[in-house]
Amino acid sequence: DAGVIQSPRHEVTEMGQEVTLRCKPISGHDYLFWYRQTMMRGLELLIYFNNNVPIDDSGMPEDRFSAKMPNASFSTLKIQPSEPRDSAVYFCASSSASGGATGELFFGEGSRLTVL
Amino acid sequence: LAKTTQPISMDSYEGQEVNITCSHNNIATNDYITWYQQFPSQGPRFIIQGYKTKVTNEVASLFIPADRKSSTLSLPRVSLSDTAVYYCLVGEVLTGGGNKLTFGTGTQLKVEL
Repeated sequence: DAGVIQSPRHEVTEMGQEVTLRCKPISGHDYLFWYRQTMMRGLELLIYFNNNVPIDDSGMPEDRFSAKMPNASFSTLKIQPSEPRDSAVYFCASSSASGGATGELFFGEGSRLTVL
Repeated sequence: LAKTTQPISMDSYEGQEVNITCSHNNIATNDYITWYQQFPSQGPRFIIQGYKTKVTNEVASLFIPADRKSSTLSLPRVSLSDTAVYYCLVGEVLTGGGNKLTFGTGTQLKVEL
């Protein structure tokens, strides 16, 4: 399996622009997680899905952030409008049913976002 | 209260055994203990997971005492390539299913010649 695939790997945009990050989880995995990593705050869980349904979005910073999972093989994280403080590395991770319950996640390489 | 507490950094030399201890005083009955490794510019990578006693795989060993309030990740004979950040996580199993994993600050391990 190719693992969790994220795109783009790098994105530089200007404040106020819309940003869309994409994730393809490992085939057959039931859970999908979006994390954000910064030097100041470390790794933060933003939202996670189970069988394409959002279960917990309490980590989403504010209404400018939204995430969708239209099918089992694709998810997006959208920021509109983007702000400089959104600059971070965004990771997508997936896990099987048992892994999601106990903690074995498979992470993608991340999308490094820079908002100028 | 922090979910887990671990040292911010550790230094070691090639060939030595490294033990990183994590405190999780408020661990719940259903929680598993999981360790991840992260290299710069990469996503975290699962190392090992356990519930109690000792778990060993080809990469590391995980020691968990009977009270489960702490755990120790043991890396045998480290090499330069083991330089990374190591995260200890305790899983919060939710009623709706799934696991809300919280990453702490991690331990930056630096291995030197």
